[in-house]
Amino acid sequence: ILNVEQSPQSLHVQEGDSTNFTCSFPSSNFYALHWYRWETAKSPEALFVMTLNGDEKKKGRISATLNTKEGYSYLYIKGSQPEDSATYLCALGASGGGADGLTFGKGTHLIIQP
Amino acid sequence: EPEVTQTPSHQVTQMGQEVILRCVPISNHLYFYWYRQILGQKVEFLVSFYNNEISEKSEIFDDQFSVERPDGSNFTLKIRSTKLEDSAMYFCASSRDRNYGYTFGSGTRLTVV
Repeated sequence: ILNVEQSPQSLHVQEGDSTNFTCSFPSSNFYALHWYRWETAKSPEALFVMTLNGDEKKKGRISATLNTKEGYSYLYIKGSQPEDSATYLCALGASGGGADGLTFGKGTHLIIQP
Repeated sequence: EPEVTQTPSHQVTQMGQEVILRCVPISNHLYFYWYRQILGQKVEFLVSFYNNEISEKSEIFDDQFSVERPDGSNFTLKIRSTKLEDSAMYFCASSRDRNYGYTFGSGTRLTVV
């Protein structure tokens, strides 16, 4: 059973501050690492899919890095805004053919305080 | 922007009854999935579907569960004889391929009483 851990569980950040949080995963059988943003009463929204060690992806003020050798990924938010308040999920895809399911972490619940 | 739609949004059913959860994935996506989240727990993989057949299933997806793509657009999850522990939010998702993020539906909240 794969174990994907996210920390911290929750985070309060002042509007305008930058923040980051972590996803840890077993590095064996790695195929892909997904990040999703999940706002209350909505469905999870894909942010990034990363597959290569050293990958760095960016979408506006949000970016993510990947280290497959040590088994972690960081998500960074620069200049937090109230609309960034959400739960951020990471999910691991293990190697294998076909449409393998993802193993999700429990998420980091981010609250941006005005 | 294309959406994955799920119906119903809420379903309450008696223990032992059969339920069918429905999903319409995005039309040009090739991979389809069902996930669930029991309250307070992680999102869990149930099953993936590709090329009109099950590609992978988790330990949760036992003989009580089945999936179908009956008409080329709908994608259904059937639970034959519901148990109290099947109460959860069930999400359908689709993707173009494994290197793309999933598009999730808004979920069906299933309550078994």
